[in-house]
Amino acid sequence: DGGITQSPKYLFRKEGQNVTLSCEQNLNHDAMYWYRQDPGQGLRLIYYSQIVNDFQKGDIAEGYSVSREKKESFPLTVTSAQKNPTAFYLCASSLISTLDRHEQYFGPGTRLTVT
Amino acid sequence: DQQVKQNSPSLSVQEGRISILNCDYTNSMFDYFLWYKKYPAEGPTFLISISSIKDKNEDGRFTVFLNKSAKHLSLHIVPSQPGDSAVYFCAASANFGNEKLTFGTGTRLTIIP
Repeated sequence: DGGITQSPKYLFRKEGQNVTLSCEQNLNHDAMYWYRQDPGQGLRLIYYSQIVNDFQKGDIAEGYSVSREKKESFPLTVTSAQKNPTAFYLCASSLISTLDRHEQYFGPGTRLTVT
Repeated sequence: DQQVKQNSPSLSVQEGRISILNCDYTNSMFDYFLWYKKYPAEGPTFLISISSIKDKNEDGRFTVFLNKSAKHLSLHIVPSQPGDSAVYFCAASANFGNEKLTFGTGTRLTIIP
């Protein structure tokens, strides 16, 4: 079955440690995205990538880093510089074209708790 | 600067009746609008979308209306069912070739049996 996988579902880390969240898709989508959701808030874009080896900052990129070495994978690293890392992290992917619009498909999310 | 706004944090509707969820936007460059449904601790699921060249799009029980002059869109669910209870997010996009989305803060819909 095609889809987006995120692992793990729950992640716990000590303050000051970097942590990497996994996101894999087998939908052959061009673009991938990382969002975070906080209680009572919408989804805020952290980083996105439209093509391998290229990515752009979203609205809240500070304290995060990404890589896009393969079309299928877009890991997110939450660094110790991120002041409020505890959140629900969502990965998404979509097709890209200049002829039609495309929705984003989301993974199941990773709940990161930093203490 | 909240470019996509959902001013009702919550909404309760009787089963079988119509649910109407509203969304306003400020960026006139937005030309593609989407609604997502989200259960707790899960990723959002795409429901329905509308391009700015249309004013209505229908898919089964779900209809989205777009009023460009008012920069307003709404999602109608009829008839409402208990499984519709979830948080609904409105999202907007501005460019072909770049599907970056701006999300609203969501409306929690509760269907009362």
